[in-house]
Amino acid sequence: GAGVSQSPSNKVTEKGKDVELRCDPISGHTALYWYRQSLGQGLEFLIYFQGNSAPDKSGLPSDRFSAERTGGSVSTLTIQRTQQEDSAVYLCASSHNRGSQETQYFGPGTRLLVL
Amino acid sequence: SQQGEEDPQALSIQEGENATMNCSYKTSINNLQWYRQNSGRGLVHLILIRSNEREKHSGRLRVTLDTSKKSSSLLITASRAADTASYFCATVLRGGADGLTFGKGTHLIIQP
Repeated sequence: GAGVSQSPSNKVTEKGKDVELRCDPISGHTALYWYRQSLGQGLEFLIYFQGNSAPDKSGLPSDRFSAERTGGSVSTLTIQRTQQEDSAVYLCASSHNRGSQETQYFGPGTRLLVL
Repeated sequence: SQQGEEDPQALSIQEGENATMNCSYKTSINNLQWYRQNSGRGLVHLILIRSNEREKHSGRLRVTLDTSKKSSSLLITASRAADTASYFCATVLRGGADGLTFGKGTHLIIQP
């Protein structure tokens, strides 16, 4: 079946603007994750959703970052008042179930550039 | 924070040779996974080894795990030009969130 998809592939925005990044997980996967990859910080875990449960937000870098997952499927990561240090590739992943033994399948990422 | 540290940071070998990458981590884990990334985009899962396993094989890949030393190695045998990529180890912390904690990666270049 189809893999994890993300949109847009690339996003260029001006400092101070809000951006929304979208993730469509693999059909039937209940767990969804957001990560960020930047030159300075490497790959960082941001947030995790399991079904309709409250998300684990422990990795969000600031209160400008938020995410939601509607109907236990599609997720949107929102960055408000973007800063240049938010420039990174934002990766989404999903897994069949919650659990540390589950393989996470990654999407191609959204490359965000904040000018 | 980075849990895993890969070593070396970069590796260049001739096609057909074997490539070995190492990963060390700091705290107790449930499992350790290796991923490959081409051109800075999506990560491809290669192999998962559980904390009670010591060695695992998948095709040309061999992964070992030594929980006493908190280290893992990834061996790619008979390397091919298409193996050129960045390789990351990732851990799921025991008792922690289910998000993966990644190392900084090893950039592998296979010379044709």
